[in-house]
Amino acid sequence: GESVGLHLPTLSVQEGDNSIINCAYSNSASDYFIWYKQESGKGPQFIIDIRSNMDKRQGQRVTVLLNKTVKHLSLQIAATQPGDSAVYFCAEPGNMLTFGGGTRLMVKP
Amino acid sequence: DTAVSQTPKYLVTQMGNDKSIKCEQNLGHDTMYWYKQDSKKFLKIMFSYNNKELIINETVPNRFSPKSPDKAHLNLHINSLELGDSAVYFCASSQAGYRMNTEAFFGQGTRLTVV
Repeated sequence: GESVGLHLPTLSVQEGDNSIINCAYSNSASDYFIWYKQESGKGPQFIIDIRSNMDKRQGQRVTVLLNKTVKHLSLQIAATQPGDSAVYFCAEPGNMLTFGGGTRLMVKP
Repeated sequence: DTAVSQTPKYLVTQMGNDKSIKCEQNLGHDTMYWYKQDSKKFLKIMFSYNNKELIINETVPNRFSPKSPDKAHLNLHINSLELGDSAVYFCASSQAGYRMNTEAFFGQGTRLTVV
């Protein structure tokens, strides 16, 4: 099957800075994407989703951008906090809930 | 009130043994999944059940056998454990099938170590 992948395996940011985590997907028919956050010792948890009829969706301190032309997603976290330290995955529910490879976000105090 | 719970959280066992991991969800979801997460955090789907029926079986050795006694439970039995089976196994559930656009809820994981 087609895959969802991430560009950066580890991202280190200073507390208070903004973080951007990227994801590339290859299935052009995909119409729904989810970002999950996985903290150490826990299972992935839903953060935010976006449907293909949108190019931007905002939550509390998080924004997801979707560029269908280049099949790219990004997750932006504003004013990154130590509690944001985790592994972040983009996922494609319509394709056997395929997960990308994950990006580890490390927040430096 | 835990939505998706799996037991045990940690499991250490010797090669060749048979073990089971249990999963229960109290969300009333129709679909349940098992995922394997390797040491590089890559999550790979193993099985998906919808209303107690198997709908996905992704190139998993037949030593792995899922069993769904009812739609709230999906257990994973593993025979003749091998070193390469060491990983974290996650159970998850979602309202609709895997091709539907709904989020999945995950358990806390079972860290299996085969020695």
